[in-house]
Amino acid sequence: DAKTTQPPSMDCAEGRAANLPCNHSTISGNEYVYWYRQIHSQGPQYIIHGLKNNETNEMASLIITEDRKSSTLILPHATLRDTAVYYCIVRGIGGSNYKLTFGKGTLLTVNP
Amino acid sequence: DTAVSQTPKYLVTQMGNDKSIKCEQNLGHDTMYWYKQDSKKFLKIMFSYNNKELIINETVPNRFSPKSPDKAHLNLHINSLELGDSAVYFCASSLGGSRGTDTQYFGPGTRLTVL
Repeated sequence: DAKTTQPPSMDCAEGRAANLPCNHSTISGNEYVYWYRQIHSQGPQYIIHGLKNNETNEMASLIITEDRKSSTLILPHATLRDTAVYYCIVRGIGGSNYKLTFGKGTLLTVNP
Repeated sequence: DTAVSQTPKYLVTQMGNDKSIKCEQNLGHDTMYWYKQDSKKFLKIMFSYNNKELIINETVPNRFSPKSPDKAHLNLHINSLELGDSAVYFCASSLGGSRGTDTQYFGPGTRLTVL
């Protein structure tokens, strides 16, 4: 699986948009970009994933650059409950790609 | 009606003991996983089963033995517990298959403390 690079921490004001960047410059053509988050002491929670088009769901938006070497997760109106570690994961198809390879992630702190 | 459940939530035991952690999913998924999160917060895959068949075994000591009695359950048995086994263990499940869009759903975790 391609390696990802994320800032170790970020702050965001409550009610503002949180933009979390991720670099995955070695991503290959059949690898997806996934985002999970882990709120303190809980199991990781799926947020969103994409291949090359931008994606949006009820939780967030995912913007993937045209060359696919980086992406940004956007939480449009961050709340205190969004404080968590956010993981950007690149994952292929089939075989041992069943697994998710977690890095260190970004600790997002939403401040009142 | 929790999707992925684990028991127990907390487990405190002595070195050398044998213990089991249970996992159940009611999502109808074919694939289940065990992950370990150590004190430094790194989350790593340990095992994966697809339809009761082992498909991933990530160089885990053979003191760890997963058992899948049916595709809704994946239990983790640990023999001769060591101090380094102290961690939070997460179970997860997914539809499975060779799909790049296969989303994994995680349980709440079991915090194991070995004294």
